[in-house]
Amino acid sequence: KAGVTQTPRYLIKTRGQQVTLSCSPISGHRSVSWYQQTPGQGLQFLFEYFSETQRNKGNFPGRFSGRQFSNSRSEMNVSTLELGDSALYLCASSLNAAGNEQFFGPGTRLTVL
Amino acid sequence: GQNIDQPTEMTATEGAIVQINCTYQTSGFNGLFWYQQHAGEAPTFLSYNVLDGLEEKGRFSSFLSRSKGYSYLLLKELQMKDSASYLCAVDNTDKLIFGTGTRLQVFP
Repeated sequence: KAGVTQTPRYLIKTRGQQVTLSCSPISGHRSVSWYQQTPGQGLQFLFEYFSETQRNKGNFPGRFSGRQFSNSRSEMNVSTLELGDSALYLCASSLNAAGNEQFFGPGTRLTVL
Repeated sequence: GQNIDQPTEMTATEGAIVQINCTYQTSGFNGLFWYQQHAGEAPTFLSYNVLDGLEEKGRFSSFLSRSKGYSYLLLKELQMKDSASYLCAVDNTDKLIFGTGTRLQVFP
């Protein structure tokens, strides 16, 4: 069974640009959660999608958005990038709910210059 | 507010036993996860505690006390490959809230 995949693995952008990250969950998993990981803050919850609906949202500004498609694949978008957005963005999938065991993808390392 | 505390760093020697503590204060609680994350890699699931007590899984065990808001991960017979970050996460009903993680370094 294939694991969670994320593309791209690495990304370099400049301030003010926007970026779209993609996540494909494990087949059959319907819940996709996104996290931002930085050395000082650890994993911070961004949002969770289930059946194409955002079920939960963390404390991030509106520049961070996401969506989920009918095949459970998810994308997240960050607009007007800031230097502080440099982080590892992790996607995790679970069968039904974010509280279930989550399986993480390898992450997308975003660097904002 | 939501608060999960873990030590930032720990060191231990090969073959030893180490205990990584996690205390939490969250608005909701359905259970507690421990994840392992090697540098540059994704977190991987280690354990999940719902009820009070000790769950043993090979060299790793995890303990939970819901009344005290406390959990620990116990690693026995440490190996060099156990050098990693260990993340405590509370299932807060509708999402996971992670601690900042404990970086464990195992020395020969």
